[in-house]
Amino acid sequence: DAKTTQPPSMDCAEGRAANLPCNHSTISGNEYVYWYRQIHSQGPQYIIHGLKNNETNEMASLIITEDRKSSTLILPHATLRDTAVYYCIVRPTYNQGGKLIFGQGTELSVKP
Amino acid sequence: GAVVSQHPSWVICKSGTSVKIECRSLDFQATTMFWYRQFPKQSLMLMATSNEGSKATYEQGVEKDKFLINHASLTLSTLTVTSAHPEDSSFYICSAGPNTGELFFGEGSRLTVL
Repeated sequence: DAKTTQPPSMDCAEGRAANLPCNHSTISGNEYVYWYRQIHSQGPQYIIHGLKNNETNEMASLIITEDRKSSTLILPHATLRDTAVYYCIVRPTYNQGGKLIFGQGTELSVKP
Repeated sequence: GAVVSQHPSWVICKSGTSVKIECRSLDFQATTMFWYRQFPKQSLMLMATSNEGSKATYEQGVEKDKFLINHASLTLSTLTVTSAHPEDSSFYICSAGPNTGELFFGEGSRLTVL
């Protein structure tokens, strides 16, 4: 079973920041938080991952609370092409089995 | 990022035939690959973990004789749907990653069984 809970859907205005929350209250010390997104009829796309520090890359920022029980993915300037289902997943490190178990995700709709 | 490629992108077959889907890691070696299936409007469901040089590990409820997995090299895993039936019609997706933590996904293969 997935160890994360996300809102089923969210809307965001084009050009505004999209903040997608995720709860993972049972996360273990060796588990990372991963974010992927899936555009219709395509394979999931890796966005970002982190352990306990905030992370930023060219796609997004990941903010993890100090107790690691929740996180937020931030798309700083959402575009129409960011409309997708976003999945937050907790996963052990690669050398500890590393499979990704998907929950239901958040369907983000970016509107003009 | 790293590239994972699947082939074919889509396939239509008759009921009772077998279909093979390939998953390749193009710029890294993968001792482990993962196979998922996804039905319309649903999330991805992990089917099995493919291990290079050894037997695949199947998730509970997935028939290993129905979904044959072979991982003969460090860059190729194959999923064969044997004696396919219409209820096997789905979107099949593989994933793999280098030893840096990320897992990347293929483009997916859409199977339609008539």
